[in-house]
Amino acid sequence: DVKVTQSSRYLVKRTGEKVFLECVQDMDHENMFWYRQDPGLGLRLIYFSYDVKMKEKGDIPEGYSVSREKKERFSLILESASTNQTSMYLCASSLSGTSGSNEQFFGPGTRLTVL
Amino acid sequence: GQSLEQPSEVTAVEGAIVQINCTYQTSGFYGLSWYQQHDGGAPTFLSYNALDGLEETGRFSSFLSRSDSYGYLLLQELQMKDSASYFCAVRSNTGGFKTIFGAGTRLFVKA
Repeated sequence: DVKVTQSSRYLVKRTGEKVFLECVQDMDHENMFWYRQDPGLGLRLIYFSYDVKMKEKGDIPEGYSVSREKKERFSLILESASTNQTSMYLCASSLSGTSGSNEQFFGPGTRLTVL
Repeated sequence: GQSLEQPSEVTAVEGAIVQINCTYQTSGFYGLSWYQQHDGGAPTFLSYNALDGLEETGRFSSFLSRSDSYGYLLLQELQMKDSASYFCAVRSNTGGFKTIFGAGTRLFVKA
């Protein structure tokens, strides 16, 4: 079974703090994604990566950065946390390729609260 | 731009059939996926349609019409455990084959 793990289920941080969210997958997937999920807005893509040291902006990258130094690990960084970044953060991974479903496997999520 | 529309809520009774519609607007369409998410859980993949027509997987079926930019998820013989949120998602060949998700449809199954 594909397993995607995230470093924390719940996190509380203060405004202005630097926040690191870690994601690790164990199935040798090329693609990794970071989403945030808010009520009524679905999953919105923040950043994704299709290879080590490669990254692409999603739809809402402002205020975030990412790091992918190893294939299995994709980190999301909030440089200076703000209250509007309070959300559920979901990491996902998938195989590469243009054919097939590009099925994404999700981690359990990190609920971040910024006070 | 890219957008997806799906109903925010659907209610049905146990044993019934329910259809969740999804219309999309995107450039470079590759395929339409459906994901299920229970409260407190992670989204899990249900189905994928790249070509027009119906794909069946047990009690769940998914349909796609590329000419209408429309698809639906059909759930048959509804069970209480099907109460969850369902997301349609479009895979496009822009921006590195990223996937865009809809806002989700909350399905309530009543006894």
